[in-house]
Amino acid sequence: QSVLTQPPSASGTPGQRVSMSCSGGSSNIGSNAVNWYQQLPGTAPRLVIHSDNQRPSGVPDRFSGSKSGTSASLAISGLQSDDQADYYCAAWDESLNTVVFGGGTKVTVL
Amino acid sequence: QVQLVQSGAEVKKPGASVKVSCKTSGYTFISYGITWVRQAPGQGLEWMGWISGFNGNTKYAQKFQGRLTMTRDTSTSTAYMELRNLRSDDTAVFYCARDWTTGWYDPWGQGTLVTVFS
Repeated sequence: QSVLTQPPSASGTPGQRVSMSCSGGSSNIGSNAVNWYQQLPGTAPRLVIHSDNQRPSGVPDRFSGSKSGTSASLAISGLQSDDQADYYCAAWDESLNTVVFGGGTKVTVL
Repeated sequence: QVQLVQSGAEVKKPGASVKVSCKTSGYTFISYGITWVRQAPGQGLEWMGWISGFNGNTKYAQKFQGRLTMTRDTSTSTAYMELRNLRSDDTAVFYCARDWTTGWYDPWGQGTLVTVFS
């Protein structure tokens, strides 16, 4: 089991908005920044959100991140077929003294 | 552009060691750390540890203590990850990534598949 909990799957039709959660605790999300990664099949992860809600250059503004307390969310608006991928959240955990990842959410574009 | 290029796939026997390289370009190597993450087949991402590009300080995940060593060569802007006493459950793709701060990694190398097979 992962320290950060993500739903295993999410789906939507092209153009829709899909969101996914990342639930943790006071030692990780509650006190440290959350980062999100997109992993297309057979490729390396790609950063899509850092520092809770900041988009790196080159990432479409359709991607947005938010955080409240010990939970974070990633939303994708205007869903496209290219967005079909696994998405992982990550944060530093002060109790475990390690970076922890969520188990990943598989986004399917119907 | 910033690039991290990793060494090729490896096949090892149980008990052996593997050393994966991560050659960087396009940025000042000593200004960032390098983090290593592994992904077992069909599984999620697992943080292994970090090495400072500046002074070589390291931090390893507890589960790898004693059999993991990270090093770097500033003359070639290359980071290395060595895992010893390999077991079958170490079979995974190993990624290096430029470390901006804990949890914030961008970009990533292409990954190196290490297969532990008797």
